[in-house]
Amino acid sequence: DQQVKQNSPSLSVQEGRISILNCDYTNSMFDYFLWYKKYPAEGPTFLISISSIKDKNEDGRFTVFLNKSAKHLSLHIVPSQPGDSAVYFCAASVGGNQFYFGTGTSLTVI
Amino acid sequence: DGGITQSPKYLFRKEGQNVTLSCEQNLNHDAMYWYRQDPGQGLRLIYYSQIVNDFQKGDIAEGYSVSREKKESFPLTVTSAQKNPTAFYLCASSFRQGGPYNEQFFGPGTRLTVL
Repeated sequence: DQQVKQNSPSLSVQEGRISILNCDYTNSMFDYFLWYKKYPAEGPTFLISISSIKDKNEDGRFTVFLNKSAKHLSLHIVPSQPGDSAVYFCAASVGGNQFYFGTGTSLTVI
Repeated sequence: DGGITQSPKYLFRKEGQNVTLSCEQNLNHDAMYWYRQDPGQGLRLIYYSQIVNDFQKGDIAEGYSVSREKKESFPLTVTSAQKNPTAFYLCASSFRQGGPYNEQFFGPGTRLTVL
């Protein structure tokens, strides 16, 4: 059973606009979340993290929001750039132990 | 340059043969992981190791084996018992297993195709 879900397999956004990637999870014990970016035939690279004691974390153009009551995580990229085109994975864990990954959302910035 | 290397990038094997995928890291990380990625699926954990000479099964360990004789190295053997071995395999490491700020750093991956 998929504990972390990314229900949108793909997303297209115009350059300069905001990209919003969503992630839902089922395990209320998850307390540490990561976002990764992946180009084809390469390993994922770490983007940004958030722990459950926060509801927002920013790093440059990237902001992650956590809504614990809704068990929902989102990644905002603003402004979106062509180089942001990649597959984005969210991952969740309990205490930073085993991570459970979503299926990924392919972002295309046009 | 610190990082994780996986070799080879592409690997072809005949059905029924065992094959070993290499993973080396020079980040001085204690923990190492092996994941498998299939089309339309997230990364699934095969095995992980928190320390030398110790490793644990992940969610899909059947048909795989690992060893951790050195801190830097965590090779994965895909045995003939693995029913669907064709996949993209990713190795990762982290400073330690568990705890905050525990991002995993990934290698470039090995695409294994069993003919």
